[in-house]
Amino acid sequence: AQSVAQPEDQVNVAEGNPLTVKCTYSVSGNPYLFWYVQYPNRGLQFLLKYITGDNLVKGSYGFEAEFNKSQTSFHLKKPSALVSDSALYFCAVRDMDRSSARQLTFGSGTQLTVLP
Amino acid sequence: GAVVSQHPSWVICKSGTSVKIECRSLDFQATTMFWYRQFPKQSLMLMATSNEGSKATYEQGVEKDKFLINHASLTLSTLTVTSAHPEDSSFYICSAYGSQGNQPQHFGDGTRLSIL
Repeated sequence: AQSVAQPEDQVNVAEGNPLTVKCTYSVSGNPYLFWYVQYPNRGLQFLLKYITGDNLVKGSYGFEAEFNKSQTSFHLKKPSALVSDSALYFCAVRDMDRSSARQLTFGSGTQLTVLP
Repeated sequence: GAVVSQHPSWVICKSGTSVKIECRSLDFQATTMFWYRQFPKQSLMLMATSNEGSKATYEQGVEKDKFLINHASLTLSTLTVTSAHPEDSSFYICSAYGSQGNQPQHFGDGTRLSIL
């Protein structure tokens, strides 16, 4: 079975400061990893993904994430937070070695609030 | 980029009414679509997986006679909540994969269903 943990329900950061939203995962095979963002009453917007290759993945809106296989982590980062980044962030995983099962498993979500 | 359109965005109706929600892939063919339910400030709960031309696969605990899913074409999946009751009130989100592997899921903007 695959699972995702987002240990922080809420992250607060001041505008202009760096932000980190944590994610750890568990899969039996190799992981596909994703970050999505959700604004109120909206669906999820894709931010970035890790499939293979460089451990540092760059995505939309200046976000990036670092894949760490030994720590089974995929933390989302941004060097300088904007108030408009305030939203609900979801980490998700899919087992690469079970390509027939295309379901994503989502974390519980982290509410990011960027304070002006 | 890939776009998934979900309609309607908001529904308010009386108890006992059946409600149909449409999910369309606008610029790609979606061989697989997913339907999720989301409660306030919680993660997405997968309800069912639908594959074009075949019956949907429902997750454990989801009543297939209550939540009817039809995926009759490569661009359209529908979720019908039959004889809706107040406990069915929720935010429903669809997502779609294209036919190519390793692509992220693309999400609709969700439907807020309120049953009076």
